[in-house]
Amino acid sequence: AQSVTQLGSHVSVSEGALVLLRCNYSSSVPPYLFWYVQYPNQGLQLLLKYTSAATLVKGINGFEAEFKKSETSFHLTKPSAHMSDAAEYFCAVRADRGSTLGRLYFGRGTQLTVWP
Amino acid sequence: DAGVTQSPTHLIKTRGQQVTLRCSPKSGHDTVSWYQQALGQGPQFIFQYYEEEERQRGNFPDRFSGHQFPNYSSELNVNALLLGDSALYLCASSLAGGQNTDTQYFGPGTRLTVL
Repeated sequence: AQSVTQLGSHVSVSEGALVLLRCNYSSSVPPYLFWYVQYPNQGLQLLLKYTSAATLVKGINGFEAEFKKSETSFHLTKPSAHMSDAAEYFCAVRADRGSTLGRLYFGRGTQLTVWP
Repeated sequence: DAGVTQSPTHLIKTRGQQVTLRCSPKSGHDTVSWYQQALGQGPQFIFQYYEEEERQRGNFPDRFSGHQFPNYSSELNVNALLLGDSALYLCASSLAGGQNTDTQYFGPGTRLTVL
Protein backbone atom coordinates (compact mmCIF):
# COMPACT_ATOMS: atom_id res chain seq x y z
CA ALA A 1 0.00 0.00 0.00
CA GLN A 2 1.08 3.55 -0.64
CA SER A 3 0.80 6.50 1.71
CA VAL A 4 2.33 9.89 2.36
CA THR A 5 2.99 11.69 5.62
CA GLN A 6 3.65 15.40 5.63
CA LEU A 7 5.21 16.51 8.89
CA GLY A 8 3.88 19.86 10.02
CA SER A 9 0.52 21.10 8.84
CA HIS A 10 1.76 24.70 9.10
CA VAL A 11 5.21 26.15 8.41
CA SER A 12 6.08 29.83 8.80
CA VAL A 13 9.25 31.47 7.50
CA SER A 14 10.50 35.00 6.95
CA GLU A 15 11.00 36.30 3.46
CA GLY A 16 14.48 35.29 2.32
CA ALA A 17 14.73 32.36 4.71
CA LEU A 18 15.12 28.70 3.81
CA VAL A 19 11.94 26.78 3.12
CA LEU A 20 11.84 23.12 4.17
CA LEU A 21 8.65 21.09 3.81
CA ARG A 22 8.86 17.47 4.89
CA CYS A 23 7.39 14.43 3.18
CA ASN A 24 7.83 10.76 4.02
CA TYR A 25 6.30 8.04 1.90
CA SER A 26 5.43 4.42 2.16
CA SER A 27 5.40 2.31 -0.95
CA SER A 28 5.67 -1.38 -1.67
CA VAL A 29 7.20 -0.66 -5.06
CA PRO A 30 9.66 1.95 -6.31
CA PRO A 31 7.61 5.10 -6.20
CA TYR A 32 7.03 8.08 -8.36
CA LEU A 33 6.81 11.15 -6.13
CA PHE A 34 5.31 14.56 -6.73
CA TRP A 35 4.99 17.93 -5.09
CA TYR A 36 2.00 20.09 -5.95
CA VAL A 37 1.16 23.63 -4.84
CA GLN A 38 -2.33 24.99 -4.32
CA TYR A 39 -3.05 28.70 -4.13
CA PRO A 40 -6.29 29.84 -2.49
CA ASN A 41 -9.39 28.86 -4.41
CA GLN A 42 -7.38 27.19 -7.15
CA GLY A 43 -6.51 23.70 -8.31
CA LEU A 44 -3.18 21.94 -7.95
CA GLN A 45 -0.09 23.00 -9.88
CA LEU A 46 2.78 20.58 -10.38
CA LEU A 47 6.01 21.82 -8.80
CA LEU A 48 8.27 18.86 -9.52
CA LYS A 49 8.37 15.10 -9.81
CA TYR A 50 10.73 12.20 -9.15
CA THR A 51 10.56 9.31 -11.59
CA SER A 52 13.71 7.30 -10.70
CA ALA A 53 16.21 9.38 -12.65
CA ALA A 54 18.34 11.89 -10.70
CA THR A 55 17.63 11.86 -6.96
CA LEU A 56 17.84 15.66 -6.76
CA VAL A 57 14.94 17.10 -8.68
CA LYS A 58 14.60 20.75 -9.64
CA GLY A 59 11.17 22.24 -10.16
CA ILE A 60 9.54 25.53 -10.92
CA ASN A 61 9.84 28.74 -8.90
CA GLY A 62 13.24 27.76 -7.45
CA PHE A 63 12.00 24.69 -5.57
CA GLU A 64 13.86 21.40 -5.44
CA ALA A 65 13.46 18.06 -3.69
CA GLU A 66 15.76 15.19 -2.91
CA PHE A 67 14.69 11.55 -3.00
CA LYS A 68 16.31 9.58 -0.17
CA LYS A 69 15.41 5.91 -0.37
CA SER A 70 17.10 5.02 2.92
CA GLU A 71 14.97 7.58 4.74
CA THR A 72 11.86 7.12 2.54
CA SER A 73 11.78 10.89 2.27
CA PHE A 74 11.18 13.46 -0.44
CA HIS A 75 11.53 16.82 1.29
CA LEU A 76 10.88 20.06 -0.60
CA THR A 77 13.28 22.99 -0.23
CA LYS A 78 13.82 26.50 -1.50
CA PRO A 79 16.89 28.51 -0.48
CA SER A 80 15.12 31.85 -0.18
CA ALA A 81 11.40 32.27 0.45
CA HIS A 82 9.36 34.85 -1.39
CA MET A 83 6.03 36.29 -0.38
CA SER A 84 4.47 34.69 -3.47
CA ASP A 85 5.40 31.23 -2.14
CA ALA A 86 2.65 31.41 0.48
CA ALA A 87 0.30 28.56 -0.41
CA GLU A 88 -0.57 24.98 0.50
CA TYR A 89 1.83 22.28 -0.59
CA PHE A 90 0.95 18.64 -1.17
CA CYS A 91 3.25 15.67 -1.50
CA ALA A 92 1.91 12.71 -3.47
CA VAL A 93 3.05 9.19 -4.33
CA ARG A 94 2.00 7.21 -7.37
CA ALA A 95 1.78 3.47 -7.44
CA ASP A 96 3.26 2.20 -10.65
CA ARG A 97 2.03 -1.32 -11.00
CA GLY A 98 -1.11 -3.36 -10.93
CA SER A 99 -4.60 -2.06 -10.56
CA THR A 100 -3.56 1.17 -8.90
CA LEU A 101 -1.54 2.35 -11.89
CA GLY A 102 -1.63 6.10 -12.16
CA ARG A 103 -3.53 6.70 -8.95
CA LEU A 104 -2.11 9.41 -6.66
CA TYR A 105 -2.06 9.21 -2.88
CA PHE A 106 -1.76 12.63 -1.26
CA GLY A 107 -0.56 13.84 2.08
CA ARG A 108 -2.73 16.15 4.15
CA GLY A 109 -0.83 19.22 3.01
CA THR A 110 1.42 21.84 4.58
CA GLN A 111 0.32 25.47 4.69
CA LEU A 112 3.33 27.74 4.10
CA THR A 113 3.17 31.28 5.49
CA VAL A 114 5.85 33.80 4.51
CA TRP A 115 6.34 36.82 6.75
CA PRO A 116 7.78 40.08 5.37
CA ASP B 1 -2.44 25.06 -25.26
CA ALA B 2 -5.54 24.81 -23.10
CA GLY B 3 -5.10 23.20 -19.74
CA VAL B 4 -7.66 21.16 -17.84
CA THR B 5 -10.99 22.96 -17.56
CA GLN B 6 -13.89 22.25 -15.22
CA SER B 7 -17.43 23.48 -14.94
CA PRO B 8 -19.18 24.86 -13.09
CA THR B 9 -16.85 26.76 -10.75
CA HIS B 10 -19.25 26.70 -7.84
CA LEU B 11 -22.42 24.79 -7.13
CA ILE B 12 -24.91 24.81 -4.28
CA LYS B 13 -27.29 21.87 -3.81
CA THR B 14 -29.52 20.53 -1.08
CA ARG B 15 -29.43 17.12 0.51
CA GLY B 16 -30.90 14.37 -1.62
CA GLN B 17 -30.35 16.17 -4.91
CA GLN B 18 -28.17 14.98 -7.76
CA VAL B 19 -25.25 16.86 -9.32
CA THR B 20 -23.16 16.58 -12.49
CA LEU B 21 -19.68 18.05 -12.77
CA ARG B 22 -17.78 18.34 -16.04
CA CYS B 23 -14.16 18.18 -17.06
CA SER B 24 -12.25 18.71 -20.30
CA PRO B 25 -8.72 17.28 -20.28
CA LYS B 26 -5.54 18.98 -21.37
CA SER B 27 -5.00 18.82 -25.11
CA GLY B 28 -3.48 15.48 -26.11
CA HIS B 29 -4.45 13.69 -22.89
CA ASP B 30 -6.68 10.64 -22.89
CA THR B 31 -7.09 9.73 -19.21
CA VAL B 32 -9.18 11.56 -16.63
CA SER B 33 -9.07 11.10 -12.87
CA TRP B 34 -11.40 12.61 -10.30
CA TYR B 35 -10.47 13.57 -6.75
CA GLN B 36 -12.44 14.91 -3.79
CA GLN B 37 -10.74 17.44 -1.53
CA ALA B 38 -12.56 18.08 1.71
CA LEU B 39 -11.74 21.23 3.62
CA GLY B 40 -8.31 21.00 5.24
CA GLN B 41 -7.52 17.64 3.64
CA GLY B 42 -5.48 16.32 0.76
CA PRO B 43 -7.27 15.14 -2.37
CA GLN B 44 -8.79 11.65 -2.24
CA PHE B 45 -9.01 9.53 -5.39
CA ILE B 46 -12.54 8.80 -6.61
CA PHE B 47 -12.02 7.03 -9.95
CA GLN B 48 -10.17 7.12 -13.24
CA TYR B 49 -11.43 6.83 -16.81
CA TYR B 50 -9.58 5.68 -19.90
CA GLU B 51 -11.03 4.62 -23.25
CA GLU B 52 -14.49 5.47 -21.95
CA GLU B 53 -14.24 2.91 -19.15
CA GLU B 54 -13.68 3.15 -15.43
CA ARG B 55 -10.20 1.74 -14.95
CA GLN B 56 -9.96 1.94 -11.18
CA ARG B 57 -11.96 3.24 -8.29
CA GLY B 58 -11.21 4.55 -4.84
CA ASN B 59 -13.16 3.97 -1.67
CA PHE B 60 -16.30 5.90 -2.63
CA PRO B 61 -19.91 4.62 -2.62
CA ASP B 62 -21.90 3.83 -5.74
CA ARG B 63 -23.61 7.20 -5.43
CA PHE B 64 -20.52 8.47 -7.21
CA SER B 65 -20.47 7.57 -10.87
CA GLY B 66 -18.80 8.86 -13.96
CA HIS B 67 -18.55 8.81 -17.68
CA GLN B 68 -15.97 9.52 -20.32
CA PHE B 69 -16.91 10.63 -23.81
CA PRO B 70 -15.18 9.86 -27.12
CA ASN B 71 -13.51 13.29 -27.05
CA TYR B 72 -11.96 12.27 -23.65
CA SER B 73 -14.02 14.76 -21.64
CA SER B 74 -15.62 13.39 -18.51
CA GLU B 75 -18.49 13.83 -16.10
CA LEU B 76 -18.77 13.07 -12.42
CA ASN B 77 -22.26 12.39 -11.10
CA VAL B 78 -23.21 12.26 -7.45
CA ASN B 79 -26.68 11.05 -6.44
CA ALA B 80 -28.54 11.49 -3.16
CA LEU B 81 -26.24 14.21 -1.96
CA LEU B 82 -25.16 14.26 1.68
CA LEU B 83 -23.79 17.14 3.70
CA GLY B 84 -20.46 15.31 3.76
CA ASP B 85 -20.21 15.53 -0.02
CA SER B 86 -19.41 19.23 0.31
CA ALA B 87 -15.89 19.57 -1.06
CA LEU B 88 -13.69 20.76 -3.89
CA TYR B 89 -13.86 18.26 -6.75
CA LEU B 90 -10.74 18.15 -8.83
CA CYS B 91 -10.30 16.68 -12.27
CA ALA B 92 -6.85 15.62 -13.45
CA SER B 93 -5.81 14.55 -16.92
CA SER B 94 -2.86 12.49 -18.08
CA LEU B 95 -1.59 10.49 -21.00
CA ALA B 96 -1.76 6.74 -20.57
CA GLY B 97 1.19 4.56 -21.39
CA GLY B 98 4.81 5.39 -20.73
CA GLN B 99 5.93 6.13 -17.23
CA ASN B 100 7.19 9.63 -17.92
CA THR B 101 3.96 10.72 -19.53
CA ASP B 102 1.69 9.74 -16.67
CA THR B 103 1.97 12.98 -14.76
CA GLN B 104 -1.45 14.26 -13.79
CA TYR B 105 -2.38 17.86 -14.49
CA PHE B 106 -5.18 19.32 -12.44
CA GLY B 107 -8.01 21.66 -13.25
CA PRO B 108 -9.18 24.52 -11.04
CA GLY B 109 -11.87 22.42 -9.41
CA THR B 110 -15.59 22.70 -8.73
CA ARG B 111 -16.61 23.81 -5.27
CA LEU B 112 -19.73 21.88 -4.24
CA THR B 113 -21.72 23.00 -1.23
CA VAL B 114 -24.52 20.77 0.04
CA LEU B 115 -27.05 22.44 2.36
